[in-house]
Amino acid sequence: DTAVSQTPKYLVTQMGNDKSIKCEQNLGHDTMYWYKQDSKKFLKIMFSYNNKELIINETVPNRFSPKSPDKAHLNLHINSLELGDSAVYFCASSPGQNEKLFFGSGTQLSVL
Amino acid sequence: DAKTTQPNSMESNEEEPVHLPCNHSTISGTDYIHWYRQLPSQGPEYVIHGLTSNVNNRMASLAIAEDRKSSTLILHRATLRDAAVYYCILHFSGGYNKLIFGAGTRLAVHP
Repeated sequence: DTAVSQTPKYLVTQMGNDKSIKCEQNLGHDTMYWYKQDSKKFLKIMFSYNNKELIINETVPNRFSPKSPDKAHLNLHINSLELGDSAVYFCASSPGQNEKLFFGSGTQLSVL
Repeated sequence: DAKTTQPNSMESNEEEPVHLPCNHSTISGTDYIHWYRQLPSQGPEYVIHGLTSNVNNRMASLAIAEDRKSSTLILHRATLRDAAVYYCILHFSGGYNKLIFGAGTRLAVHP
């Protein structure tokens, strides 16, 4: 059973389109995250939710909108996709706000 | 956020121990030292963490210098599956879980 699952694994789309990436965790964790790994392989936190409440928002363009319908899900919607949005996006969860993270396997987004 | 410094890359032979160093000279008293690794085409995976004392788990050992300005992740017997990028991260225990990943050390393991 996959603990943190993301869909889709690959996403290829045109500039200007709107797309969503879904994330689900079956670990019963309270906190979920989105990280972005760019072409230089640096991992940067984008958002964090704790019990469906946004607690970290790291100066991400407002074209990116996370949505947490419940504790087990944190989806990422991206409007008006740009070339620079091409990256691997990782979802993660943790039992609490200061505990170890469990990552999904990533979604590779390619904007053409 | 306190910063860590790691070598860009290291190499090891299979079944030999590997010592991965990390410098964190600006660490504060409440920062935990976390290690994660990222295997090719996968998400990061938690390895180990500690505050002051050395720590052991089934994956690795963490040796922390007495002044806490450096630490070493020890893989006791490297396997080909240990080839990955290893990240040393300082985690402020009092704030939100905002792990700041650096460039990490790319470990190559040779048969």
